Amino acid sequence: SQQGEEDPQALSIQEGENATMNCSYKTSINNLQWYRQNSGRGLVHLILIRSNEREKHSGRLRVTLDTSKKSSSLLITASRAADTASYFCAEGPGGTSYGKLTFGQGTILTVHP
Amino acid sequence: DVKVTQSSRYLVKRTGEKVFLECVQDMDHENMFWYRQDPGLGLRLIYFSYDVKMKEKGDIPEGYSVSREKKERFSLILESASTNQTSMYLCASSVEGAGGPSQETQYFGPGTRLLVL
Repeated sequence: SQQGEEDPQALSIQEGENATMNCSYKTSINNLQWYRQNSGRGLVHLILIRSNEREKHSGRLRVTLDTSKKSSSLLITASRAADTASYFCAEGPGGTSYGKLTFGQGTILTVHP
Repeated sequence: DVKVTQSSRYLVKRTGEKVFLECVQDMDHENMFWYRQDPGLGLRLIYFSYDVKMKEKGDIPEGYSVSREKKERFSLILESASTNQTSMYLCASSVEGAGGPSQETQYFGPGTRLLVL
């Protein structure tokens, strides 16, 4: 089954730096979503970008979508120690009405104070 | 704010026991989902439900069943728990979007970490 692949698997940066995470997918999508998970907790939705959108912002988060390359990126600017978490992309598939949201394996982000 | 609650944060059960994991959402969402999360395997969908008494198999339904008798409650049942069902179980809900259950934001509960001995 299709599955987003995040890159890198792990990222370690200093507070104040920007963090960029990438997601690639294989088939057509209706939307692509980004989620965050703090250690041992549930996932929290960050941004949903639809297939006809190219860029979306939310606070310090910027998501881009390139459907020609089947890829998306999540940029966190001016990172903080509290941004330390795992970040997942999830594909909302195109085509059938009841397609399942498919999650990638995530990028572990560590922000050092 | 949407709130999704799960009955237990941690659960320890014996092999062969019947296990019930309960999930309740308070936002009148049509869709509810059960995932399991394992290191190296990410999140995998077990079952989802798009209406009361309706259910659809996800990617890994074997060994599990579900029940949705009321709109706000979605239960995951392990009929006879096995050690390979030791995992983190996550429940989620979403509104019914134009494109179907998986086309809208999902709201997750805090998770239940299940250990089967």
